[in-house]
Amino acid sequence: GENVEQHPSTLSVQEGDSAVIKCTYSDSASNYFPWYKQELGKRPQLIIDIRSNVGEKKDQRIAVTLNKTAKHFSLHITETQPEDSAVYFCAASGGGSYIPTFGRGTSLIVHP
Amino acid sequence: GAVVSQHPSRVICKSGTSVKIECRSLDFQATTMFWYRQFPKQSLMLMATSNEGSKATYEQGVEKDKFLINHASLTLSTLTVTSAHPEDSSFYICSAGPTDTQYFGPGTRLTVL
Repeated sequence: GENVEQHPSTLSVQEGDSAVIKCTYSDSASNYFPWYKQELGKRPQLIIDIRSNVGEKKDQRIAVTLNKTAKHFSLHITETQPEDSAVYFCAASGGGSYIPTFGRGTSLIVHP
Repeated sequence: GAVVSQHPSRVICKSGTSVKIECRSLDFQATTMFWYRQFPKQSLMLMATSNEGSKATYEQGVEKDKFLINHASLTLSTLTVTSAHPEDSSFYICSAGPTDTQYFGPGTRLTVL
């Protein structure tokens, strides 16, 4: 089955800095890669996603890049703000299955 | 995005009782829903895949007689924790989506005394 590794587990940055979270996956058939943000005690919220026919996608301060050859994808947050503080999960799915495999999560802390 | 609701948001029960959690897709039909369990500061652990009109598919190590799943309609799946014990205390969360994009319910915090 699919295996998703996510790094780092904790990321601490100053407000205004950029943050990068990286994930690798094992199944070359995976073709859908969403990112979720989960605030304490709340549901994971989809913040951006990318499909395997695209190399990069942006939405304001958030971007995701995908390298199919290396089987890794990354979340980039620019100009971080304290409200960006949360746990971020990457996931991978595809190859005939809708079942997503999640990474272990990254706790992002943005210091004012 | 699509909307998924979950009820109740919190439940406290005595050991030995059963608890039912509902997951509803509000603006789309879902032939498949997923049930997860999440421990503090940990990732989402897939428990089972709920299939409308057929039996759920359980992940390895998840007791199907302990965690009963019923997906009786295209908008509703239920998870029943039978004979709950303190070790079943956790955050239970469902997800569903009109496509491969998954949207999560708000979760249910179960505390078993």
